[in-house]
Amino acid sequence: ENVLTQSPGTLSLSPGERATLSCRASQSVVSRFLAWYQQKPGQAPRLLIYGASSRVTGIPDRFSGSGSGSDFTLTISRLEPEDFAVYYCQQYGSSPTFGQGTKVEIK
Amino acid sequence: QVQLVQSGADVREPGASVKVSCKASGYSFNTYGITWVRQAPGQGLQWMGWISGYNGNTNYAQKFQGRVIMTRDTSTKTAYMELTNLRSDDTAVYYCARGRIQFGESTDAFDIWGQGTMVTVSS
Repeated sequence: ENVLTQSPGTLSLSPGERATLSCRASQSVVSRFLAWYQQKPGQAPRLLIYGASSRVTGIPDRFSGSGSGSDFTLTISRLEPEDFAVYYCQQYGSSPTFGQGTKVEIK
Repeated sequence: QVQLVQSGADVREPGASVKVSCKASGYSFNTYGITWVRQAPGQGLQWMGWISGYNGNTNYAQKFQGRVIMTRDTSTKTAYMELTNLRSDDTAVYYCARGRIQFGESTDAFDIWGQGTMVTVSS
């Protein structure tokens, strides 16, 4: 099983600041098959990024993904109030697994 | 619009089974796979398995092998997930989600999600 470790566990930032979330895999992720999801309380996850860096249609361009191999990053360039949520990475190069999540909270 | 609508919350006793449904609309059900993911209270996401909308092939996570059965009914555009021999640690919200790629396999990202079904296991 390809274990994903996200850091930090919680990120305390103010609106307008830049958020950098990390996802590290225990094995190299095949073909950059890495996705990022946003989840708000009481809601289902929402796909933001797939293929490590491809943004889903309709997702604001302040969200960007990067990385390859075992190290991946989700960057939110300027936090908007609606961006405070929990973010999960997921690899789907092999049997899918999720990271444990990073909570982005208002400072 | 494209959506997945799941069945309502359920309460089961330990040792029982539960079957959750996921009805698709707004797209060609036969050409996309459906994945099931669960989330225990306050916890992260756990992939349970996948079923092909095209031919009904399945791929289950090792953790659930022997306890989960995924099926689909193409005539009603509905996918089902049955979990047997329930334990208290199966208490969770169960989500169905559509694979992003047409005719894709279980190795896929998930672009459309159901609203979730809360399953509580308690005596």
